[in-house]
Amino acid sequence: DTGVSQNPRHKITKRGQNVTFRCDPISEHNRLYWYRQTLGQGPEFLTYFQNEAQLEKSRLLSDRFSAERPKGSFSTLEIQRTEQGDSAMYLCASSSRRDTEAFFGQGTRLTVV
Amino acid sequence: AQSVTQLDSQVPVFEEAPVELRCNYSSSVSVYLFWYVQYPNQGLQLLLKYLSGSTLVESINGFEAEFNKSQTSFHLRKPSVHISDTAEYFCAVSVRMAGGFKTIFGAGTRLFVKA
Repeated sequence: DTGVSQNPRHKITKRGQNVTFRCDPISEHNRLYWYRQTLGQGPEFLTYFQNEAQLEKSRLLSDRFSAERPKGSFSTLEIQRTEQGDSAMYLCASSSRRDTEAFFGQGTRLTVV
Repeated sequence: AQSVTQLDSQVPVFEEAPVELRCNYSSSVSVYLFWYVQYPNQGLQLLLKYLSGSTLVESINGFEAEFNKSQTSFHLRKPSVHISDTAEYFCAVSVRMAGGFKTIFGAGTRLFVKA
């Protein structure tokens, strides 16, 4: 297993367009997290899945953001009607029930122009 | 609410000099504490963690951190840094939530090692 995989690595989009990112967690990790990291800041928690259930959402996750994990394996994060303020690195992480830390992917860097 | 404060946004240091990156946290409950490292254009990698037991924890590449409950601190130290240690370092706490935990990060400290 090569770790948490995120696609695409980079995305440039025009303001107002919709974008979707994919995260493939480490095999058999039932927990999956999405974070957002803006320049000069640490990652901020967005949402958390245990299997296919979305158990927690940050208030940072506005109604333009939606995340899914339909089969309890990969996850997608969609941003509708993107704004320039959405430009950031979007990080995905996963862990198993026995882990005490999350394992991070390399992220998807979004630039909204 | 839990939070993490990293007191220095940037730390420039000469190669082979010692370094300390400071971290303070606030939490009303027991937490796990972590240091992550992020190299340019890469994801976060776990450097070391404190769960319980000995308050001094070490990484495989010479970093160490000491958990101080009374001062609510978890400072990261290295006695002699290398150019390759140049990176962004994030202190984090892990707190319980429904069915699992979430990690709360500080704003990061950019360590810049000069020759």
